[in-house]
Amino acid sequence: QQQVKQSPQSLIVQKGGISIINCAYENTAFDYFPWYQQFPGKGPALLIAIRPDVSEKKEGRFTISFNKSAKQFSLHIMDSQPGDSATYFCAAPARGQNFVFGPGTRLSVLP
Amino acid sequence: GAGVSQTPSNKVTEKGKYVELRCDPISGHTALYWYRQSLGQGPEFLIYFQGTGAADDSGLPNDRFFAVRPEGSVSTLKIQRTERGDSAVYLCASSLIAGEKLFFGSGTQLSVL
Repeated sequence: QQQVKQSPQSLIVQKGGISIINCAYENTAFDYFPWYQQFPGKGPALLIAIRPDVSEKKEGRFTISFNKSAKQFSLHIMDSQPGDSATYFCAAPARGQNFVFGPGTRLSVLP
Repeated sequence: GAGVSQTPSNKVTEKGKYVELRCDPISGHTALYWYRQSLGQGPEFLIYFQGTGAADDSGLPNDRFFAVRPEGSVSTLKIQRTERGDSAVYLCASSLIAGEKLFFGSGTQLSVL
């Protein structure tokens, strides 16, 4: 069974700073690696995703960096804002077209 | 509707009772997933439907849990003889293409007393 690890467990960043969250997986069944953002009382929402035919993908302030050989990928949030304060989950593909989620990283961006 | 709808948003029940949780996916999404999320943890996979059939039910914890999707749209997660350990947020997600972007509902908070 796929295991997904995330670090750090929690992160505090000043407004305008860079937030970096790391994810490590064991194996893959297919090629789609997403990051989800979750606010309290809401379901997770897709933030950004990557296919490992590229090593990096950028969408606005959010960037995924992917290292296929190391089985790791990371989320970078540039110019972090208080509104980015949320819990972030990476997910790795598992067998049967479903995903295994990491345990989450709670991000707090201080004003 | 515009997004994935889950009802009820909250369900309180007594140990041993039967509960049904409903998920109404985004129209046209053939893939539907159920996940369970305990406080402070990531979503845990339960079952995935492609159309009407359960393509992968390997995450269902035991035979007290069952899910159906008879017409390929709305799905119901059924839990028999509920236990206190079943208390969690049950999340439903749908996807236009299996294995790609998941659209989650806001979940059903199940509390078993």
